[in-house]
Amino acid sequence: GQNIDQPTEMTATEGAIVQINCTYQTSGFNGLFWYQQHAGEAPTFLSYNVLDGLEEKGRFSSFLSRSKGYSYLLLKELQMKDSASYLCAVRSNQAGTALIFGKGTTLSVSS
Amino acid sequence: DTGVSQDPRHKITKRGQNVTFRCDPISEHNRLYWYRQTLGQGPEFLTYFQNEAQLEKSRLLSDRFSAERPKGSFSTLEIQRTEQGDSAMYLCASSPQTGNEQYFGPGTRLTVT
Repeated sequence: GQNIDQPTEMTATEGAIVQINCTYQTSGFNGLFWYQQHAGEAPTFLSYNVLDGLEEKGRFSSFLSRSKGYSYLLLKELQMKDSASYLCAVRSNQAGTALIFGKGTTLSVSS
Repeated sequence: DTGVSQDPRHKITKRGQNVTFRCDPISEHNRLYWYRQTLGQGPEFLTYFQNEAQLEKSRLLSDRFSAERPKGSFSTLEIQRTEQGDSAMYLCASSPQTGNEQYFGPGTRLTVT
């Protein structure tokens, strides 16, 4: 079957660093995505990993270990506006096809 | 180009009625996806088009659901004989032939009473 697990909720304070973990079990693997979704809004793309290792993009970094079925999203220098749901998604098939999403991790950043 | 657009943004309908949603993808994006999202859940895949061809359909897409993309540009999603369980946010996304990112529209929130 297909399963993607991530924590339901996390809290952190402004300026801190937070790591959101994601584990997956899918019938195939062709890339892992992280999306940010503010309440009532559409998901917006944050990162894409298809090879093992760390991808850094500004304050956000994403890591992938395909052998462990594991990824994390690292958010540095947290800001209040980072309060949102963070969705881990896997593309299990060839490029261009559907994403399988986890339930999302709701991050609350306090001052 | 302002991104993926969806219409309407909100729809309230009575059980048993038919509803149709429209999605306009980013121009020149030949791939188009429909997802459904309920509160506290991630988006669930419904169907995928490459140009006008519907290449994937989820088993979530019952016989009451139909989607079209007649000219390979905009797409419509129709739900016939709506049920309360159809209440959800319906998201459309598009992506280019080359590229991995899917760009999501703002969604259509459906409420079935």
